[in-house]
Amino acid sequence: QQPVQSPQAVILREGEDAVINCSSSKALYSVHWYRQKHGEAPIFLMILLKGGEQKGHDKTSASFNEKKQQSSLYLTASQLSYSGTYFCGTESRAGNMLTFGGGTRLMVKP
Amino acid sequence: DGGITQSPKYLFRKEGQNVTLSCEQNLNHDAMYWYRQDPGQGLRLIYYSQIVNDFQKGDIAEGYSVSREKKESFPLTVTSAQKNPTAFYLCASSIGTGTVNTEAFFGQGTRLTVV
Repeated sequence: QQPVQSPQAVILREGEDAVINCSSSKALYSVHWYRQKHGEAPIFLMILLKGGEQKGHDKTSASFNEKKQQSSLYLTASQLSYSGTYFCGTESRAGNMLTFGGGTRLMVKP
Repeated sequence: DGGITQSPKYLFRKEGQNVTLSCEQNLNHDAMYWYRQDPGQGLRLIYYSQIVNDFQKGDIAEGYSVSREKKESFPLTVTSAQKNPTAFYLCASSIGTGTVNTEAFFGQGTRLTVV
């Protein structure tokens, strides 16, 4: 079952902050975050594992609440290049299939 | 350069015809995935494979078939049984099974239009 993302869309001015949430009805082993520009392949931002391990780009910040089966991606001091659609992907156990949410469209304006 | 390659980028087919989308990776990854993306929508899993000669259905496998005869290749066939095949198809790979997973690498996608 697909995780649920919120909000579905957000518009920011450069320099503003945003939080994107990802929620699952199943217990999670890991949460992945990706960003996709229109017509392009999604690119990896971060992975958060059960137990607290994280791997990702230095500029990306996220949290993973295992008990609540939720993750949040924090975008601070947004830049124009942050625009795109953000997807969370979840695994219910190690090595299991990666299932993505419906995406959150982010637009950053000058 | 290591990566994952999908071909062709654009594909047009007549209704009722089967069509095969290519996905090749030279990253030595065990796991490979096929996703379908409709305009403004998320990524829906069609099929995934964790090892050669084995694959599992995802959420929307009906009307699709795959094979995994080689580690590097995971072709997707869109059959005539798929009711609404026009979509953007993304292939991805990752290191695969294990206690620590890593990110998925995506191809550039194939935009299939059925007329």
